[in-house]
Amino acid sequence: QKEVEQNSGPLSVPEGAIASLNCTYSDQGSQSFFWYRQYSGKSPELIMFIYSNGDKEDGRFTAQLNKASQYVSLLIRDSQPSDSATYLCAVSGAGSYQLTFGKGTKLSVIP
Amino acid sequence: DTAVSQTPKYLVTQMGNDKSIKCEQNLGHDTMYWYKQDSKKFLKIMFSYNNKELIINETVPNRFSPKSPDKAHLNLHINSLELGDSAVYFCASSPPNGIYGYTFGSGTRLTVV
Repeated sequence: QKEVEQNSGPLSVPEGAIASLNCTYSDQGSQSFFWYRQYSGKSPELIMFIYSNGDKEDGRFTAQLNKASQYVSLLIRDSQPSDSATYLCAVSGAGSYQLTFGKGTKLSVIP
Repeated sequence: DTAVSQTPKYLVTQMGNDKSIKCEQNLGHDTMYWYKQDSKKFLKIMFSYNNKELIINETVPNRFSPKSPDKAHLNLHINSLELGDSAVYFCASSPPNGIYGYTFGSGTRLTVV
């Protein structure tokens, strides 16, 4: 069974610091990797996706993928209180429609 | 214009009742999904339809029955509701193969009393 593991947190960082969120996955055939942000009482919102090994940057967000280690991470630079949310890692396999989600990491950015 | 809309947003009902949740997307996506998010925030897939055809049917009680009248709509009917069905149900849609991720609806919070 495909599994996606995340540290549930909470992860607390001071405003302006770098927040580092980590995710590991069990299926070596996984091809697509996604980070979603979910505010309390709201729906998940896609913030980043990555397919290739290495880094992908979008504004203050950087996704990092290492397929050999089956590891994907999300860095948030200059963290803001508005970044406080649960971050969900999601993974899909080759040719698969299905996203398998981790249980999420709750991030708190302290002003 | 809401991309993926679900109704109702909240649903409180008694055990044993039958209820439906509706979902519509205006993104032109071919694939739609139902996910269940439990009290611990774990999102788990229930069903997936591609162009009105069921492609994923995870192990859920057969009291749950999805219906897709066309590729823009995916409804979820639940019979004989139980306390354990209380959760937030999210509809989502994606382009073919889901390679750009999903767009989620706002969710339906179901409470069974």
